Amino acid sequence: DTEVTQTPKHLVMGMTNKKSLKCEQHMGHRAMYWYKQKAKKPPELMFVYSYEKLSINESVPSRFSPECPNSSLLNLHLHALQPEDSALYLCASSQGPTGDNEQFFGPGTRLTVL
Amino acid sequence: GEDVEQSLFLSVREGDSSVINCTYTDSSSTYLYWYKQEPGAGLQLLTYIFSNMDMKQDQRLTVLLNKKDKHLSLRIADTQTGDSAIYFCAEKIPGGSYIPTFGRGTSLIVHP
Repeated sequence: DTEVTQTPKHLVMGMTNKKSLKCEQHMGHRAMYWYKQKAKKPPELMFVYSYEKLSINESVPSRFSPECPNSSLLNLHLHALQPEDSALYLCASSQGPTGDNEQFFGPGTRLTVL
Repeated sequence: GEDVEQSLFLSVREGDSSVINCTYTDSSSTYLYWYKQEPGAGLQLLTYIFSNMDMKQDQRLTVLLNKKDKHLSLRIADTQTGDSAIYFCAEKIPGGSYIPTFGRGTSLIVHP
């Protein structure tokens, strides 16, 4: 199994809703990442988990709350989002958090905030 | 992406070669990458080159690196309609986590 899966594929939510994005990998990777990508822009790093611990938070607003329940799973909990948070949310994983480890990306969750 | 620059669009005819260019600013970059993103999909690592190499070839893909000018290019031979996608150049500088710096992406459109 050499892929990163993400659910749901699409999500539409209101500004008062609470929802979660899920990411899973079974490659034994110990680093996992959340990126946000707006249309026609490169991915922007949000969070990095290394060995199930949050190692990087790129000053992301608290309405985004990451969680890494185990080494295979990464969640992103969403609460009180704004319309400008609408974007493609990409999860990625790599063998380790340092060195030359290639990142494997999931297909993303297309989020629309109304 | 401001440290990695790419032109935004490239249009080619099917069967022709495509050349996508990228410039970067950090001379200490150790690895330079090309990612492909098809519509609605995640990023796929196409190829990468170590900073001590000048060229790398992988089937239809040729990567050229000019360290003096900090210029990286990706040549796709015999471009097909399935190559239509956004191509991101990315650099990694030594030390720290594996967090590549991405360019803004070049949208490649292949006409039949």
